[in-house]
Amino acid sequence: GENVEQHPSTLSVQEGDSAVIKCTYSDSASNYFPWYKQELGKRPQLIIDIRSNVGEKKDQRIAVTLNKTAKHFSLHITETQPEDSAVYFCAASRRAGANNLFFGTGTRLTVIP
Amino acid sequence: DGGITQSPKYLFRKEGQNVTLSCEQNLNHDAMYWYRQDPGQGLRLIYYSQIVNDFQKGDIAEGYSVSREKKESFPLTVTSAQKNPTAFYLCASSVGVDNYGYTFGSGTRLTVV
Repeated sequence: GENVEQHPSTLSVQEGDSAVIKCTYSDSASNYFPWYKQELGKRPQLIIDIRSNVGEKKDQRIAVTLNKTAKHFSLHITETQPEDSAVYFCAASRRAGANNLFFGTGTRLTVIP
Repeated sequence: DGGITQSPKYLFRKEGQNVTLSCEQNLNHDAMYWYRQDPGQGLRLIYYSQIVNDFQKGDIAEGYSVSREKKESFPLTVTSAQKNPTAFYLCASSVGVDNYGYTFGSGTRLTVV
């Protein structure tokens, strides 16, 4: 099966700085890579995703990059704000639906005002 | 709650008792999932169902059971056979094949007393 590793487990940045979270995966057949944000006591919410036919995707201050050769993908948050503080999970999936969404262990991001 | 509702939010169970967690969605999604979330371990798949009257074991199904009698509902029973049931349980749904987005419920925190 798929194994997704996520680093770092905790990350603190000053407000306005950038934050980068990295994930690696083991199954070369994985072709979908979503990122979820989970605020304290709330449900995970999809913030951005990327498919294997794209190397980079950006949505305002958030971007995701994918290197299929190296089997790693990263979340980049620029101009961080205190409301970005949360736990972020990466995931990898071979295809939609089914049981193939495998999650990383999460990164707790703290943005210091 | 964004179309997928979990209840109750908090649940206490005595050792040796079975307990059922509710998950209902009105998104017309075919696929539904149950994940368990423990600190530092990300989300682990318990069971999933792609269509009504069908479900499959995930990575940590032992001590759990599910049913999918209706498209809208996917209840999870935590049985007395589950050795360490105290955790945060998340239900999710997705349209199904060829759709990659998961929608999560707000979770149920189960505590064994």
